[in-house]
Parts: sequence; C-alpha cells; structure tokens
Amino acid sequence: AQTVTQSQPEMSVQEAETVTLSCTYDTSESDYYLFWYKQPPSRQMILVIRQEAYKQQNATENRFSVNFQKAAKSFSLKISDSQLGDAAMYFCANRGRGGSEKLVFGKGTKLTVNP
Amino acid sequence: NAGVTQTPKFQVLKTGQSMTLQCAQDMNHNSMYWYRQDPGMGLRLIYYSASEGTTDKGEVPNGYNVSRLNKREFSLRLESAAPSQTSVYFCASRGTGGVAGNTIYFGEGSWLTVV
Repeated sequence: AQTVTQSQPEMSVQEAETVTLSCTYDTSESDYYLFWYKQPPSRQMILVIRQEAYKQQNATENRFSVNFQKAAKSFSLKISDSQLGDAAMYFCANRGRGGSEKLVFGKGTKLTVNP
Repeated sequence: NAGVTQTPKFQVLKTGQSMTLQCAQDMNHNSMYWYRQDPGMGLRLIYYSASEGTTDKGEVPNGYNVSRLNKREFSLRLESAAPSQTSVYFCASRGTGGVAGNTIYFGEGSWLTVV
C-alpha cells in the first residue's frame, strides 16, 4: 500500500522564525520520489521541494529544506525565516519511480504565520 | 498560457444527474490524474492515466469513470451524482524525464455541488 501521513492538521509560527512540518509515508516501491506542495487560498498547487529517495543528501530550496530519514520513512519540511506569504496548506506526497504513476498525498497541514 | 485547463469551474447537480468534468493539457504530458479535495481529507486520487488509452484506479474510484481518448484530454464522469461527491476536483499532469518528470501541473479546480 502507498500511504502518506501528516500528523499535524495545523501549525503556527512567528514571522522570521523556523517551523518544521512532519510527514511519514509507506510504500512498496524500492525507489520513489517525495514532494512537498503548497496550496495558498487560491487553491493552486505549487511545488515547494522534491526529494529522490536514492539520494541521501537532503534537498534544499532557498528557505525550504527537508530532513529525509529513509529507514524511518520520514520526510519533514523545515521553513526558515518564515514569511507571511508562507501561510498556506502544505501537502506531502509520494510517487513511485520506474513505472508507477500513482501520486498520493497526505491530508495536509495548515500553516499560519503570525506577524 | 500553457498548462492544465479544467471545465467547468463551478457546477451544481441534482442527485442522480450525470456530468463530465473535462481536462486538457497542452504540454505533451503522458501522465494525467484526477483528485478530489475535501476539508480535512487532503487530495485523494480518483483515477490516473499513465498514457493515452490506459487508466488505473486510485484511492477513491467508486462512483466515477474516466476516459483518456487522446494524449491531451482526460475526462472524469459522474454517472449518477450523489451528495457525497460534493467536492473540489483537480486535474493534474506530469511530464517525463528530468525536471519535467518531477513536476506536477495542476488545473485550477472544479467546484462541484450535488444537492
């Protein structure tokens, strides 16, 4: 089975502070991708960061970085220097690599950024 | 602008009515997806298509049918709408290889209400 679990329905952070969003997953695929997507009130899905499972180095994109723990099947997102524009729903997602097209999302975490 | 186009954007149906949500992408992508998004449930995969002429069930396929008649278009049909199908529906597509292969492009969503 392919599942993605986000255990934090809501999180809040002060502007300029750091926040970490949690995600765990389960998959039968031997190789796969993991993603974090942002969904602002406009509902459009925006790719924040992606991680290839075979790469041990954690992905980073400017203020966004991940902590990928493959053995624990954990994939958390760290947002540094939080900005008001970071407020959104954040979704963790998983897709198999090498043929599988099934892309599964978690239930999401609503992030509030306080000024 | 290139991207994923969904129609209609808003629709109200009566219980038992049928309708088709249309989705088209102009990026020559092989993979296409249909999701529904409900409060507290995140994005749930209904059906997906790895290529023209092929479709596979996702997490919540009951009550829906899909059609991938050509590479551009992937339609979702509700044969007999039920109030439980009230949701926001998202179509998405994905390219293959390199950066494009990891990027999912979403449509703007279709708001469906079944009364």
